[in-house]
Amino acid sequence: QKEVEQDPGPLSVPEGAIVSLNCTYSNSAFQYFMWYRQYSRKGPELLMYTYSSGNKEDGRFTAQVDKSSKYISLFIRDSQPSDSATYLCAMRGAGNNRKLIWGLGTSLAVNP
Amino acid sequence: EPEVTQTPSHQVTQMGQEVILRCVPISNHLYFYWYRQILGQKVEFLVSFYNNEISEKSEIFDDQFSVERPDGSNFTLKIRSTKLEDSAMYFCASCPAGETQYFGPGTRLLVL
Repeated sequence: QKEVEQDPGPLSVPEGAIVSLNCTYSNSAFQYFMWYRQYSRKGPELLMYTYSSGNKEDGRFTAQVDKSSKYISLFIRDSQPSDSATYLCAMRGAGNNRKLIWGLGTSLAVNP
Repeated sequence: EPEVTQTPSHQVTQMGQEVILRCVPISNHLYFYWYRQILGQKVEFLVSFYNNEISEKSEIFDDQFSVERPDGSNFTLKIRSTKLEDSAMYFCASCPAGETQYFGPGTRLLVL
């Protein structure tokens, strides 16, 4: 079983739609969960950072972590064409200086 | 806002040649990382560096790879004898005390 699984899409939605992106994982030691956005041929840009289970909201973005199901989600409300990018989940264990384990990324296109 | 920077943005080299990829992490960050992303594949951890020494490395990071922090600002990745399969985007990341990692824009390495 792969450590982190993420549907690569592509996902295409109309402007203004609510977008739901998700990842599943197998390693119960993961404690920190991140969502990064990556534009074509650019570096990953941190969007959301969550510790353990629960929800976190930042503007139009909401991150959810369900450790019992080993499932994390990112919701984008009122999606904009500028949200078109690849969204990568990443996670790591407890303690400092831990490597990130990544999903493959989901390609999102928001159509005007 | 401070950013991680990387040079060069693109590097083309012949198989067997040495390359040095350079990174300037965010100042006052303590932990430094190199990752790579082969086209169409997941981001992969290579190595982490703290307190002037390697703290963790992956099986990819073999004797052909080395890292150095030659002064107070630069962080370099050297590949001694490049192979075709080293062609990838290489990302540098840094973070303050064990929190989340901030990524540079990447160096696209092409080995011919």
